[in-house]
Amino acid sequence: KAGVTQTPRYLIKTRGQQVTLSCSPISGHRSVSWYQQTPGQGLQFLFEYFSETQRNKGNFPGRFSGRQFSNSRSEMNVSTLELGDSALYLCASSLAVGNTGELFFGEGSRLTVL
Amino acid sequence: EDKVVQSPLSLVVHEGDTVTLNCSYEVTNFRSLLWYKQEKKAPTFLFMLTSSGIEKKSGRLSSILDKKELFSILNITATQTGDSAVYLCAVPNSGGSNYKLTFGKGTLLTVNP
Repeated sequence: KAGVTQTPRYLIKTRGQQVTLSCSPISGHRSVSWYQQTPGQGLQFLFEYFSETQRNKGNFPGRFSGRQFSNSRSEMNVSTLELGDSALYLCASSLAVGNTGELFFGEGSRLTVL
Repeated sequence: EDKVVQSPLSLVVHEGDTVTLNCSYEVTNFRSLLWYKQEKKAPTFLFMLTSSGIEKKSGRLSSILDKKELFSILNITATQTGDSAVYLCAVPNSGGSNYKLTFGKGTLLTVNP
């Protein structure tokens, strides 16, 4: 069974640009959540999607957005990039049943903003 | 606001040593506490704890929760170089979502041969 797949794995952008990151969850998983990981702040929750609906949102500005498609694949977008957006962006999927809180993470997309 | 504090932030040991990692938490509505291991890739799930005093064990790793004192520990016995990683502790959001996790900053464990 394939794990959570994130693309691209690495990317470099300049300030002011926008970026779109993609996440394919484990087959059968309907919940997809996104986290930002930086050395200073650690892992911080961005948002969570279930059945194409955003169920939860973290404390990030409106430049950060996402969506989920009918096949559960998800994308997140960051517009007007700032230097501080440089981070590892992790996607996690879950069966969304049983409420165990166990998430399966992808290997992340490492974004560098110059 | 939910809060998770891990200590120490980093730890260097020799192979064969036993280590104890700490995690304290503050949540309005506690439901569970989770431990993850992160090497240079995706965090991987280790344990989920919901009840006080019941040890969860997997090989050389074990973990226990104290809901009265609001902390958990992760023990690793007979450490190996492959145990070198960041160990993350997390709690699900008090507001009800099990998919919105609040993470601690992690403990960087380095095991030297």
